[in-house]
Amino acid sequence: AQSVTQPDIHITVSEGASLELRCNYSYGATPYLFWYVQSPGQGLQLLLKYFSGDTLVQGIKGFEAEFKRSQSSFNLRKPSVHWSDAAEYFCAVFGGSQGNLIFGKGTKLSVKP
Amino acid sequence: DAGVTQSPTHLIKTRGQQVTLRCSPKSGHDTVSWYQQALGQGPQFIFQYYEEEERQRGNFPDRFSGHQFPNYSSELNVNALLLGDSALYLCASSPGTGGWETQYFGPGTRLLVL
Repeated sequence: AQSVTQPDIHITVSEGASLELRCNYSYGATPYLFWYVQSPGQGLQLLLKYFSGDTLVQGIKGFEAEFKRSQSSFNLRKPSVHWSDAAEYFCAVFGGSQGNLIFGKGTKLSVKP
Repeated sequence: DAGVTQSPTHLIKTRGQQVTLRCSPKSGHDTVSWYQQALGQGPQFIFQYYEEEERQRGNFPDRFSGHQFPNYSSELNVNALLLGDSALYLCASSPGTGGWETQYFGPGTRLLVL
């Protein structure tokens, strides 16, 4: 069965430091992969997506993610974190028999001043 | 361009009651999906509507039902509410073809069942 694992429940980084959020997926074919961000009390905003081609994808707000098939990973990165990046981040894979998004449990990001 | 909108924003119900949540998709989108997000969890797929019919369904009981109207807006109905139905309910829209993998989410309706 398709699944997404986000190993880190909560990460704290200092403002200006770099960030990497981990995501591992389980999917038989070439996956469609997504990262979404959710601010407190809000819906999900799409940060970036990978369907095919260049394995390094750029998103909004200075985020990027790298697809590594050999590691079944799609980690999210940002070179310099801003206080406004504090939120919960969800990795998702599209596919499966139901053709829907399958989400990980999320990683909560806190930013220290 | 208005994004996905949902109403109401918050709702309190008691066990056994019924609830209806509403969603208007992003302009140009004709597919609506509903997700349930329990506290501390990622969203879980409930079902998807396209051309006024349920196209896909997740592992949710029949107490969860929906409808899509000709203008593509959608409703989620939950009957015989349980305490465990307390969650944030998210609606997402996407094009029916050529890009339906990318879903855009509304702000959600937070349901509390007492």
